[in-house]
Amino acid sequence: EIVLTQSPGTLSLSPGERATLSCGASQSVTSSYLAWYQQKPGQAPRLLIYGASSRATGIPDRFSGSGSGTDFTLTISRLEPEDFAVYYCQQYGSSPRTFGQGTKVEVK
Amino acid sequence: QVQLVQSGADVKKPGASVKVSCKASGYTFSGYYMHWVRQAPGQGLEWMGWINPNSGGTDSAQKFQGRVTLTRDSSISTAYMELSRLGFDDTAVYYCARGSYGDYYFDSWGQGTLVTVSS
Repeated sequence: EIVLTQSPGTLSLSPGERATLSCGASQSVTSSYLAWYQQKPGQAPRLLIYGASSRATGIPDRFSGSGSGTDFTLTISRLEPEDFAVYYCQQYGSSPRTFGQGTKVEVK
Repeated sequence: QVQLVQSGADVKKPGASVKVSCKASGYTFSGYYMHWVRQAPGQGLEWMGWINPNSGGTDSAQKFQGRVTLTRDSSISTAYMELSRLGFDDTAVYYCARGSYGDYYFDSWGQGTLVTVSS
């Protein structure tokens, strides 16, 4: 099973700042099959990024993903008020599908 | 517009079973895998398993094998997740999530169903 470790656990930033979230895998993720999801309180997760760097439909271009192998990054270039949420990475290259433990982006 | 609508919240006693439904609309139900993911209160996401609505084939995480049953009724575009021998640590929000074309990432999610296990 691939273990995904996200860092930091919590990121305290102000609107307009840049957010950099990391996701490390215990072994190489097949074909960069790595996704990022955003979850707000009381809501289901929403797909942001798939294939490590492709934005899902309707996702603003301030969200970008990068990385390969065992190290992946989600960057939010300028935080908008609606971006404060919890972010999860997920690998879907091998079974079982696994998620990271999440990074909370909170208002500083 | 893809929509996944789940059944309502449920309360069960320890040792009982729960069955959650997920009704799909806006796409060809048989063409996309359906996954189940759960989230305990204040915790992260945990993948439980998938069903291929076309063949009925399933797979589940080792942790849930023997306890989870994934089924579907294609005539009404609905997937089901039944979890047996419930314990207090099964209290969670259960989500269905559609696998993308080719079954990769999860591109649409249901609204979630809170299952509470309480004596």
